[in-house]
Amino acid sequence: SQKIEQNSEALNIQEGKTATLTCNYTNYSPAYLQWYRQDPGRGPVFLLLIRENEKEKRKERLKVTFDTTLKQSLFHITASQPADSATYLCALPRLNSGYSTLTFGKGTMLLVSP
Amino acid sequence: GAGVSQSPSNKVTEKGKDVELRCDPISGHTALYWYRQRLGQGLEFLIYFQGNSAPDKSGLPSDRFSAERTGESVSTLTIQRTQQEDSAVYLCASSLDSSGGLTHTQYFGPGTRLTVL
Repeated sequence: SQKIEQNSEALNIQEGKTATLTCNYTNYSPAYLQWYRQDPGRGPVFLLLIRENEKEKRKERLKVTFDTTLKQSLFHITASQPADSATYLCALPRLNSGYSTLTFGKGTMLLVSP
Repeated sequence: GAGVSQSPSNKVTEKGKDVELRCDPISGHTALYWYRQRLGQGLEFLIYFQGNSAPDKSGLPSDRFSAERTGESVSTLTIQRTQQEDSAVYLCASSLDSSGGLTHTQYFGPGTRLTVL
């Protein structure tokens, strides 16, 4: 079965530094990968989608890479701010769902201190 | 509406009771999803509706769980004979047509926090 692994330990960084979060997956070759942000008591909010033929995608201070050989995606936030503190989830198309549904990782909590 | 809405926001019930959770998707979104998120855990897929196609129920954990959707509008998730293990946040999401391998963004509601005593 497909597995998605995200670091369960919270990542603590100082404001202004670059945060890097990791998403590893096994037993699968997804056509794309998505990243979501989830704040406490709220539903996830879509951030970025990267396709298997794209090595890198950027949006403002966010950058996502997708290494299909390593089966890994890295999510970077540059010039981090306390407002970036949240849990970040990666999501892949759910196996055998025809890309219609997603499987989510457990997420990594990011804490940016001023 | 502007976004996905869910009701109630919180529900406390006694073990053995039935509960019904409601989701109002974004207007025009033909795809609707239900997820369960236990404390400190990831999102667990429950069920997916796409237009008039048969729903994908493969994520429902037991026959106590069921969901309905009328056309491309409101959906209700029903849990019968609730158990303490059903305590979780139930999230609903909607998107544009997700059939045929299209990859549309999912827009989530705020969730319903269910507590079974």
